[in-house]
Amino acid sequence: DQQVKQNSPSLSVQEGRISILNCDYTNSMFDYFLWYKKYPAEGPTFLISISSIKDKNEDGRFTVFLNKSAKHLSLHIVPSQPGDSAVYFCADARGTLIFGTGTRLQVFP
Amino acid sequence: DAGITQSPRHKVTETGTPVTLRCHQTENHRYMYWYRQDPGHGLRLIHYSYGVKDTDKGEVSDGYSVSRSKTEDFLLTLESATSSQTSVYFCAISPGAGEENEAFFGQGTRLTVV
Repeated sequence: DQQVKQNSPSLSVQEGRISILNCDYTNSMFDYFLWYKKYPAEGPTFLISISSIKDKNEDGRFTVFLNKSAKHLSLHIVPSQPGDSAVYFCADARGTLIFGTGTRLQVFP
Repeated sequence: DAGITQSPRHKVTETGTPVTLRCHQTENHRYMYWYRQDPGHGLRLIHYSYGVKDTDKGEVSDGYSVSRSKTEDFLLTLESATSSQTSVYFCAISPGAGEENEAFFGQGTRLTVV
């Protein structure tokens, strides 16, 4: 079974700088990964996805990179804004959605 | 926003009582999920459904049961609530699996077992 791990529980970044959130996975088969963003007292919302046949997917300020040899994906937010402060989850979507434990991002002025 | 409604939004119940949470969708999506969110654990899958009367267990299914008698409704029942089931519960829906698995989440139900 696939496992996704987010080893950094929190990240603090200055406004305007780059935020990099990381996720490691264990399965080497074809996969499809999603990133979700969650504000307090709200449900998670879909942010961006990547298929394992690609190395990169970009949507505005958000870019996800997939390093298949290292079994690692990362979400880059450039430039970071205070409204990006939230918890970010990576998820394996090959079957049912399996989530990592999340990384809390704080963007300060 | 996807049409997902969770009810109730908040509930306090006593240990040992049964509790049912409801998830209602208006998107006609095939898949429905129940997750719980706890500090340090992220979102963990309890049960999911891939069609009417078709359900399966997730990673933390002990103490929970589900039913899906209609496409639009997915019920989660805590058969005898325990304090360890105090959590925030999220329902999610998706049209399919794999590349169709961009799930949409409800607003959550905060359950407290005292």
